[in-house]
Amino acid sequence: SAVISQKPSRDICQRGTSLTIQCQVDSQVTMMFWYRQQPGQSLTLIATANQGSEATYESGFVIDKFPISRPNLTFSTLTVSNLSPEDSSIYLCSVEVNQIVGGDTQYFGPGTRLTVL
Amino acid sequence: AQKVTQAQTEISVVEKEDVTLDCVYETRDTTYYLFWYKQPPSGELVFLIRRNSFDEQNEISGRYSWNFQKSTSSFNFTITASQVVDSAVYFCALSEDNQGGKLIFGQGTELSVKP
Repeated sequence: SAVISQKPSRDICQRGTSLTIQCQVDSQVTMMFWYRQQPGQSLTLIATANQGSEATYESGFVIDKFPISRPNLTFSTLTVSNLSPEDSSIYLCSVEVNQIVGGDTQYFGPGTRLTVL
Repeated sequence: AQKVTQAQTEISVVEKEDVTLDCVYETRDTTYYLFWYKQPPSGELVFLIRRNSFDEQNEISGRYSWNFQKSTSSFNFTITASQVVDSAVYFCALSEDNQGGKLIFGQGTELSVKP
């Protein structure tokens, strides 16, 4: 598995501002992912962040709103820009771990709870 | 198109009861992977199991067991002798081969185990 940390764990932000979320993993991984979980909802993939290339965004998510950086194999950031109350969600990063027994599996960080006023 | 359906939104049981969480999936791929995750009130997503489409063997891990049936496109999860600590939201997820690891999640089933 992998040990993943996220900062901040929660934040309350004003409308129109931005929040940058950090994701740190304890080992080098190729694939990192960012998910959004709106209140009472399931998880939706925002984008895939591979080191050395531009992030790949899912339908409905754009780089201007959710810029992502992936400077090395253990770290990534997600910025949520121009915040509105609709952005209030839990944001989770995950990493894919390639295991000899069990295959490729995604492990998740603890999440960042964002509230936009 | 790929899809995961967890028809049970909420389930409430009394401690020590057995409970089964249903998961039905849709995919056109012949190679795919199925997962179950647990999300306790703290919010963190905890990995429980991964199954590939070529392995239909049922699996048991302690009080947890999983029943994978390709004929009905189902991957159900049973908790035997439930405990209060099992209270959480459980998500079933699907990943297709050559989709870059993308996980498609079901809507989740909230399990409440009462003492």
